[in-house]
Amino acid sequence: QKEVEQNSGPLSVPEGAIASLNCTYSDRGSQSFFWYRQYSGKSPELIMSIYSNGDKEDGRFTAQLNKASQYVSLLIRDSQPSDSATYLCAVREVKMNTGFQKLVFGTGTRLLVSP
Amino acid sequence: SAVISQKPSRDICQRGTSLTIQCQVDSQVTMMFWYRQQPGQSLTLIATANQGSEATYESGFVIDKFPISRPNLTFSTLTVSNMSPEDSSIYLCSVSPGGSEQYFGPGTRLTVT
Repeated sequence: QKEVEQNSGPLSVPEGAIASLNCTYSDRGSQSFFWYRQYSGKSPELIMSIYSNGDKEDGRFTAQLNKASQYVSLLIRDSQPSDSATYLCAVREVKMNTGFQKLVFGTGTRLLVSP
Repeated sequence: SAVISQKPSRDICQRGTSLTIQCQVDSQVTMMFWYRQQPGQSLTLIATANQGSEATYESGFVIDKFPISRPNLTFSTLTVSNMSPEDSSIYLCSVSPGGSEQYFGPGTRLTVT
């Protein structure tokens, strides 16, 4: 199975700082990438998707994709204590012979934003 | 996106019994996915359920242990059979309405004693 790697953390940042979360993946053919936020005891919530190289911004969130380096990141500007959660990186895997698709998840990075 | 509900939200079951988890979506979707998230772990795909065909199981998961039904385009069930404490986990269903982004239900927290 293709792999998705994340630093488990915790990543600790002060309120108002930029949090940078990183993810690498092994399947060079991957085309679709997703970031989920999961609060303790809750299910994952999709916060960003990115399909092209470069940056994609949505409010305080910016996803960055570099397919050549097989690297995707999530930046959270002006971090708030409410951003404290586990952030999961997911990569879509497509089986060429069948077209069957599935998401492969990283282990997640725990982010702690201190007031 | 989609509005997804799961029943039950949590349950405590005895070893050797079975539990059926229901997943209901507010719109018709082709594929529904069942995941497991063990304590402190990430998500692992159990199987993909298409309406009108047999579910596709991932390596390490078998139909006898995790039978799945998909009677229509808005509903699916996952049964955890002959449970052991190792099955204690959160079970999540998800859907991909547009074929790309995937959305998760609230999950079912299962404890096996």
